[in-house]
Amino acid sequence: DVKVTQSSRYLVKRTGEKVFLECVQDMDHENMFWYRQDPGLGLRLIYFSYDVKMKEKGDIPEGYSVSREKKERFSLILESASTNQTSMYLCASSSDVETQYFGPGTRLLVL
Amino acid sequence: DQQVKQNSPSLSVQEGRISILNCDYTNSMFDYFLWYKKYPAEGPTFLISISSIKDKNEDGRFTVFLNKSAKHLSLHIVPSQPGDSAVYFCAGNGGATNKLIFGTGTLLAVQP
Repeated sequence: DVKVTQSSRYLVKRTGEKVFLECVQDMDHENMFWYRQDPGLGLRLIYFSYDVKMKEKGDIPEGYSVSREKKERFSLILESASTNQTSMYLCASSSDVETQYFGPGTRLLVL
Repeated sequence: DQQVKQNSPSLSVQEGRISILNCDYTNSMFDYFLWYKKYPAEGPTFLISISSIKDKNEDGRFTVFLNKSAKHLSLHIVPSQPGDSAVYFCAGNGGATNKLIFGTGTLLAVQP
């Protein structure tokens, strides 16, 4: 079974803090993705990566950056957290076929 | 520009009856569609998919129908069970990339 893990289930941070969200997958997938889920807006793609050290902007990259130094790990960075970044963050991975497999999510609250 | 639309935010169905969740899309380049199920405080789990060359795919109680001319797909769950209560997202995958475009989700409540 594919396993995608995220470093935290719940996080509370203050405005202006730097926040790191870590994601690890154990299936040697090339592709990794970061989404945020907000009520009424569905899942929106923040960034994705097709290979180590490679990244592509998704639909809402503003205020975020990513890092992929190893194939199994994809990190999402909030350089200076703001209250409008309070959300559920979901990491996913996939091989060359279409299906993406998701982690359990990190619920981030920015005060 | 919302390429994948789920116009019903919620749906309530009696246990044992059929649940029908609908999804419309605008991008004719989509060649693969997926349905995901999401419980609160968990990540989405893959449920069923369909290629654009097919019009139906079935897996147990779940069947997905695709009408390409109408750019419409639907997920049928029969019989519905209380454990099916969750948010359901449809998604389309377009061609050269592995990006998925998700709808906004439909909250299904199956009443015992």
